[in-house]
Amino acid sequence: GNSVTQMEGPVTLSEEAFLTINCTYTATGYPSLFWYVQYPGEGLQLLLKATKADDKGSNKGFEATYRKETTSFHLEKGSVQVSDSAVYFCALRDRTQGGSEKLVFGKGTKLTVNP
Amino acid sequence: EAQVTQNPRYLITVTGKKLTVTCSQNMNHEYMSWYRQDPGLGLRQIYYSMNVEVTDKGDVPEGYKVSRKEKRNFPLILESPSPNQTSLYFCASSRVPQSSNQPQHFGDGTRLSIL
Repeated sequence: GNSVTQMEGPVTLSEEAFLTINCTYTATGYPSLFWYVQYPGEGLQLLLKATKADDKGSNKGFEATYRKETTSFHLEKGSVQVSDSAVYFCALRDRTQGGSEKLVFGKGTKLTVNP
Repeated sequence: EAQVTQNPRYLITVTGKKLTVTCSQNMNHEYMSWYRQDPGLGLRQIYYSMNVEVTDKGDVPEGYKVSRKEKRNFPLILESPSPNQTSLYFCASSRVPQSSNQPQHFGDGTRLSIL
């Protein structure tokens, strides 16, 4: 079945450092890809998405590009802030045989940014 | 304000005592889903519903029941909870068809501890 693999954390950075969280996927067809963020004590929020190859999703300084040739959707940010400390989930939208859809999540990467 | 509301947020209970976690959304979404989040495993789907009276199993449905009698509500029922159901639970909703690329909206989570 379809699956998502993202780099294991935790990741600890200093403020203004460059961030990369790797995400690769296995899927038939061309699923939509997402990054969700979970701040402490909260639910998941959509951070960005891409729906087809070479699409770049961006939001709040974060970017990720849908790379079909490498089946990847790596999350990047040029200069992280303390407020970016959270758990980040890569996900793909999987369509089942019955026509319904669900999100398939990676295991999450915890990011801590120190001042 | 568009939101997904779960109750309770926290619950400690004992093995075998039936419990229900409620989920309600105010966005008129057709699709609703329950996930559980466990360390090192990410989010796994328990059950989902494409519309009223239409429900189906996700990846880890054992020990759970759901119902969808109204569009806005999607309760998760544990008839006889066991300690391995201790977890953080999230409800989510979105429009259908999801090929319109509408993101899933998540509740803030319910932390269940089964002793």
